[in-house]
Amino acid sequence: GAGVSQSPRYKVAKRGQDVALRCDPISGHVSLFWYQQALGQGPEFLTYFQNEAQLDKSGLPSDRFFAERPEGSVSTLKIQRTQQEDSAVYLCASSLGGLAGTQETQYFGPGTRLLVL
Amino acid sequence: GENVEQHPSTLSVQEGDSAVIKCTYSDSASNYFPWYKQELGKGPQLIIDIRSNVGEKKDQRIAVTLNKTAKHFSLHITETQPEDSAVYFCAASNGGGTSYGKLTFGQGTILTVHP
Repeated sequence: GAGVSQSPRYKVAKRGQDVALRCDPISGHVSLFWYQQALGQGPEFLTYFQNEAQLDKSGLPSDRFFAERPEGSVSTLKIQRTQQEDSAVYLCASSLGGLAGTQETQYFGPGTRLLVL
Repeated sequence: GENVEQHPSTLSVQEGDSAVIKCTYSDSASNYFPWYKQELGKGPQLIIDIRSNVGEKKDQRIAVTLNKTAKHFSLHITETQPEDSAVYFCAASNGGGTSYGKLTFGQGTILTVHP
């Protein structure tokens, strides 16, 4: 079946512009994660959704970062007034369940590579 | 919070040799340890995982070992092939609970397998 998809795959923004990154998780997956991956580094957690509820946003680096998942499926990560330090690959991952105390495989999308000039 | 250290950062082997990548973690509550392979321009792909109630797990040429007392886990790839060349990441998670299963990743190991 279809995996996690993300769009756009590449985005070039001028400093100060707003950007919106889209994630389509695997159908039926309750949990959705966003990670940020700087060049040459491992992914770092940004935020977590269980269905439409954003239960953890502790990894968002500033109030310029905002994420939503209004209908419990597609999610959008928005970055306002982009800065050069926002340049990174933004990865979305989804997993089947959302029950406390469980840990299920996270399936990652291909990522959106953001370059802020 | 959790901190995961991964070594080595680069690893070069000849085809057919074995490759070993090691990771340590800091949070004793972590109980889930996946390994991901990331190829250029792609997202991480799970290759194997292990949970804290198991000491070793094997899947064909790939094996993972876990030492909870020492808080370290390792990835072993035998009979390496050129297509194994990629970046490998270890990760740790306190599955569920208030962490909701978020993964903390190591810094990655660039594995190169020479034909």
